[in-house]
Amino acid sequence: DAKTTQPTSMDCAEGRAANLPCNHSTISGNEYVYWYRQIHSQGPQYIIHGLKNNETNEMASLIITEDRKSSTLILPHATLRDTAVYYCIVRVAAGNQFYFGTGTSLTVIP
Amino acid sequence: EAGVAQSPRYKIIEKRQSVAFWCNPISGHATLYWYQQILGQGPKLLIQFQNNGVVDDSQLPKDRFSAERLKGVDSTLKIQPAKLEDSAVYLCASHPWTGVYQETQYFGPGTRLLVL
Repeated sequence: DAKTTQPTSMDCAEGRAANLPCNHSTISGNEYVYWYRQIHSQGPQYIIHGLKNNETNEMASLIITEDRKSSTLILPHATLRDTAVYYCIVRVAAGNQFYFGTGTSLTVIP
Repeated sequence: EAGVAQSPRYKIIEKRQSVAFWCNPISGHATLYWYQQILGQGPKLLIQFQNNGVVDDSQLPKDRFSAERLKGVDSTLKIQPAKLEDSAVYLCASHPWTGVYQETQYFGPGTRLLVL
């Protein structure tokens, strides 16, 4: 079962930062937060993951609160190609399972 | 590096017929997953293999769905007989499971099934 909750949809102006929130209040101490996105008719694509510290890569930044009960994915300069459904996932430590919720549909507006 | 391959990409069948999907994971990846994604929903894990053994099949409808991963490489997912509610995209993913927790899973393009 999904252990995360996300807003159903969001809009963002092209060139602006997109901030996608996620709640994972029941996360365990050794469980990672992963973010994937899914562009229409494609398989999900890995974006970033983290445990406690904030993380940054070439695609995005991940901000995790100190109590680890929520996180925010930041796309610093959204483009039209970032229009997709974004999934926040808590990876179960023991069994290596990834449980997806319903995700946030992000629309980048010109 | 080649990605996860799936076939067919599209399949249309009538209810009560049988269908099979094939997945070839990334070379060397020990873990293989099958997900079902119904329109408007997130992927739902159906079954997880570690090499050729089943790790988790708690959400697999075993009365009609079956999956195997002979020799710990390719995998097939079968539905017999299909129902209308099985219309979905079936995604295959693989994971290296080297013991390094940082690794992630990689998805194939999916097979889109329509049951009429």
